[in-house]
Amino acid sequence: GAGVSQSPSNKVTEKGKDVELRCDPISGHTALYWYRQSLGQGLEFLIYFQGNSAPDKSGLPSDRFSAERTGGSVSTLTIQRTQQEDSAVYLCASSLVAGSNQPQHFGDGTRLSIL
Amino acid sequence: AQTVTQSQPEMSVQEAETVTLSCTYDTSESDYYLFWYKQPPSRQMILVIRQEAYKQQNATENRFSVNFQKAAKSFSLKISDSQLGDAAMYFCAYNTGETSGSRLTFGEGTQLTVNP
Repeated sequence: GAGVSQSPSNKVTEKGKDVELRCDPISGHTALYWYRQSLGQGLEFLIYFQGNSAPDKSGLPSDRFSAERTGGSVSTLTIQRTQQEDSAVYLCASSLVAGSNQPQHFGDGTRLSIL
Repeated sequence: AQTVTQSQPEMSVQEAETVTLSCTYDTSESDYYLFWYKQPPSRQMILVIRQEAYKQQNATENRFSVNFQKAAKSFSLKISDSQLGDAAMYFCAYNTGETSGSRLTFGEGTQLTVNP
């Protein structure tokens, strides 16, 4: 596709359930990033991938959070045993390669609501 | 660790007027990159402008320009001839100059309202 695609756009689930969020980066982009935006806050870095490996996963808030990327393309962010504090917008971005001078292109995000 | 601060939670401007959004940051690095992103209600973060710290010349993109003061660690965004479509949340962001660096550190954002 032309841009970064995220699905679902919105997700409502009950506390304690597992959720999977999907990100499809811009074609040809080898780097992929996950950020979290809590209500009224700036973005918080979670993890990034270069290809299928994750050189920096230090932003994942707990071991309930995990992410994988297969085939150097689509990535899935999984949250196990969701808690109310996990409610946020989860944004994915991609860039041609990983690097500080590379502009990151963002998707529209997934709004996750935990009841 | 680097931090980014936006001290103006909200700003407003009249259409066709000029507005400046403030951003300060804290870092011990000498080489880094600074960005301004715009987030309309659609949630998508859109890159507005980028500045490389080793370049003294301020970046400009059409109606958008920055005032980069490296010694003061200040990076403000000026929007000239404001348009209704400029209304959005604006985020200032920092990235390390290290070749391995990739995470963006964001400020808290400034909500810009454009009045007709």
